[in-house]
Order: sequence, then structure tokens, then C-alpha cells
Amino acid sequence: AQTVTQSQPEMSVQEAETVTLSCTYDTSENNYYLFWYKQPPSRQMILVIRQEAYKQQNATENRFSVNFQKAAKSFSLKISDSQLGDTAMYFCAFMKPYAGNMLTFGGGTRLMVKP
Amino acid sequence: GAVVSQHPSRVICKSGTSVKIECRSLDFQATTMFWYRQFPKQSLMLMATSNEGSKATYEQGVEKDKFLINHASLTLSTLTVTSAHPEDSSFYICSARDHRGYTGELFFGEGSRLTVL
Repeated sequence: AQTVTQSQPEMSVQEAETVTLSCTYDTSENNYYLFWYKQPPSRQMILVIRQEAYKQQNATENRFSVNFQKAAKSFSLKISDSQLGDTAMYFCAFMKPYAGNMLTFGGGTRLMVKP
Repeated sequence: GAVVSQHPSRVICKSGTSVKIECRSLDFQATTMFWYRQFPKQSLMLMATSNEGSKATYEQGVEKDKFLINHASLTLSTLTVTSAHPEDSSFYICSARDHRGYTGELFFGEGSRLTVL
């Protein structure tokens, strides 16, 4: 079974600065997907970024980028130029392909962006 | 992007009654939907996988007779909490997979907050 670990329960960052959220996972699979989801106070889950394990290039989406280290089973999220609207819970998630799209979530990191 | 809608967003019920929560895919067909439960300040816990036209697959520890799941069409799955008790109070979230192609992405509903008095 896969496990996803987020070692930082809470983090804070000043507006406009950069913050990195950590995520490690454990799997015996070689091919898989990794995701970062954002859950703001509204509780709506929002996909932030996705990484396919077979791709060596790190995924980026505007201010969001990942550092994917497959050998180390690490998948950190970097948020640049943090904005107040980035305040939310962030969940790292693992998906094994062709297994029904079931997601395994980490415990979450609560990020507070301070003005 | 694909939209998943949950209804109701909030429901308050008396202990012993049953509550139905709907999860609809609005602009795509979903052969598979997932139901999660989320306690305050915690992560999402998968309760069951709902497959259109067949029985749901429940995770270990989730009572199938307590949490009835029906996926009667490609756009609708329902979760019924039967004989609800205060300990069933929680935030319930559904997600759905677009059957047209494999994108590795699930689309989430807005969630439903259940309060059992």
C-alpha cells in the first residue's frame, strides 16, 4: 500500500515571499501520478499541480512548481510570490494508474500567508 | 473544466433519521465516483468507491449498511447516511473521474457538511 507523508502540519509565509511545502511518499510502483491539492476555507478541493512519475521535468503552473525527486520519493511544492489567497490547507496525493484513480492523501499542511 | 456538484451543502438532522447526499457530474459522464469523509483539520479519508451500475466498494472499517451508496447513472451518485447519530457529523466530499479518457485527474464536489443533533 502507498503512504503519503506531509511533515509540516502548519506553515506561515509573508506575502510576496516564497514557501516550500514538503511531501514524501512510499511506493513500490514505478509509474504513478502525484498531485498537490489546495483546500481553502470554502472546503472546495482545487487541483494545484500534477506530476507524472515518468517525466523527469518538474511540473510548473504559474507561481507553483514542484521539486520531484523520484529516487528519494520526494515531491515538494514551491509557491513563489505568495498571495493572501494562497492561505489554505494543502494536500499532497498519490495515484497509481489503472487502479481506479484512487487517491491516497497526505495529512495536509495548513499554510497561512501573512500581510 | 469539469464540474462536480454536491447537494445539499449543509444539512442538519435529528438523530435516528436518514440523510441523502447527491453528487452530480454536470458536464461529463463519470463511471467512477469516490466518497470521502473529512474531520476538522484532518485529511480526506476514502470511504468507498462508487461504480455506475454495480455495487460500491467500501474501505475497511466503513459500514456498508450505515453508508448506502447508489450510482444509478453516469452522472449521479448518492450517499445515504442511515439512522444518523451525532458521531456521523462530518464533512463529506465526493470526486469523480471522467470516463472519456484517462487524465489522472479527479474532480471534486464542494462538499456537504452534516450535523446530527
